[in-house]
Amino acid sequence: DVQLVESGGGLVQPGGSLRLSCAASGFTFSSYEMNWVRQAPGKGLEWVSYINSDGTYIYYADSVKGRFTISRDDAKNSLYLQLNSLRAEDTAVYYCAREDLGYFHHWGRGTLVTVSS
Amino acid sequence: EVVLTQSPAILSLSPGDRATLSCRASQSVRGYLAWYQQKPGQAPRLLIYDASNRATGIPARFSGSGSETDFTLTISRLEPEDFAVYYCQQRSNWPPFGGGTKVEIK
Repeated sequence: DVQLVESGGGLVQPGGSLRLSCAASGFTFSSYEMNWVRQAPGKGLEWVSYINSDGTYIYYADSVKGRFTISRDDAKNSLYLQLNSLRAEDTAVYYCAREDLGYFHHWGRGTLVTVSS
Repeated sequence: EVVLTQSPAILSLSPGDRATLSCRASQSVRGYLAWYQQKPGQAPRLLIYDASNRATGIPARFSGSGSETDFTLTISRLEPEDFAVYYCQQRSNWPPFGGGTKVEIK
């Protein structure tokens, strides 16, 4: 079974940093494109970032460009999201999602990031 | 940029009713549209992809239709577990998601 397990969320002050991780299992991680999607409390889904299977193509939402960095370690079957210069509006549940031909077939349960002083 | 507009924002129905949810794209996305269901405290779940293909394990009461700019998700007879928020998503461009439709119990 495909499993995606996010970790690394927590409470951080504005301007602070966090590193989120997503541990993948049940599939050949290195073959798949991966994404981060977030959801602010009571709000809809917002795509955050994409990385292709070999890490050569990376894209970000305008709202996080220059502050967040996506990466992957295929040897560890893991996806990462480095969050810097955090703002209150970055408060959200962050999901990692496996992309299959443009759609998000598998999701983790998410990790909550709260930016507050 | 492709903008997806979902309507209505809230749909109030009773179990056993037919639900019809709309997703309109600001420009053609051909047939490249998906639908997701999200229940409180849970991750989204893929229901439909490529406008009309049900994902693995999705009951037949869920169906999708449409192309280009106008798409519909139909739930033929609402079961109690179907009351949730539904999002559409296009794969042609970013941002991918619509704003969602909440299907609530009347």
